[in-house]
Amino acid sequence: DAKTTQPNSMESNEEEPVHLPCNHSTISGTDYIHWYRQLPSQGPEYVIHGLTSNVNNRMASLAIAEDRKSSTLILHRATLRDAAVYYCILRRIQGAQKLVFGQGTRLTINP
Amino acid sequence: GAVVSQHPSWVICKSGTSVKIECRSLDFQATTMFWYRQFPKQSLMLMATSNEGSKATYEQGVEKDKFLINHASLTLSTLTVTSAHPEDSSFYICSAMRRRAGDTQYFGPGTRLTVL
Repeated sequence: DAKTTQPNSMESNEEEPVHLPCNHSTISGTDYIHWYRQLPSQGPEYVIHGLTSNVNNRMASLAIAEDRKSSTLILHRATLRDAAVYYCILRRIQGAQKLVFGQGTRLTINP
Repeated sequence: GAVVSQHPSWVICKSGTSVKIECRSLDFQATTMFWYRQFPKQSLMLMATSNEGSKATYEQGVEKDKFLINHASLTLSTLTVTSAHPEDSSFYICSAMRRRAGDTQYFGPGTRLTVL
């Protein structure tokens, strides 16, 4: 399974944008880039995913580098409820659909 | 849509007993369900992949005779921890995928197991 690298922790202020980076230099052409987040004592929550083009939804934006070796999850205006561990995961388009979680980035939001 | 529930949300049991955890997809049919385990301050670890009507596929190092998984219908999978011991105390989380190509996984809220 192709691996991802994320900073252990990041900190931001409420109502400011947050850019969470993820490196995946060994990504293959058949890997989707998925982002999930997990609040304390809860199951992970799907945030967004993409393949090649940048993606937007109501929660966040996903910016994917042209060579696909890195991506950035963008929270446009962080709130205290966005404090969580964010996981960047690669998943094959076909075949085994399992997700392999790394350590993720613990995001702290300051009021 | 795409809601996954787990029952119970927490359970305390004595060492040596068996505990069953249910995972249900409430508003969709799940062809595949996954079971994860998470220890405090650690990431999720995939235990097994469960396809409806067939035997589960266990990850390396996970004892299939200890963690029994049944996926008897398109909306229900169960994980039974047999002869539980204190080291099995953990947060167990399931996820489910719909019958849709390229779909994502939807996670349950988790079950906290404490073995005394």
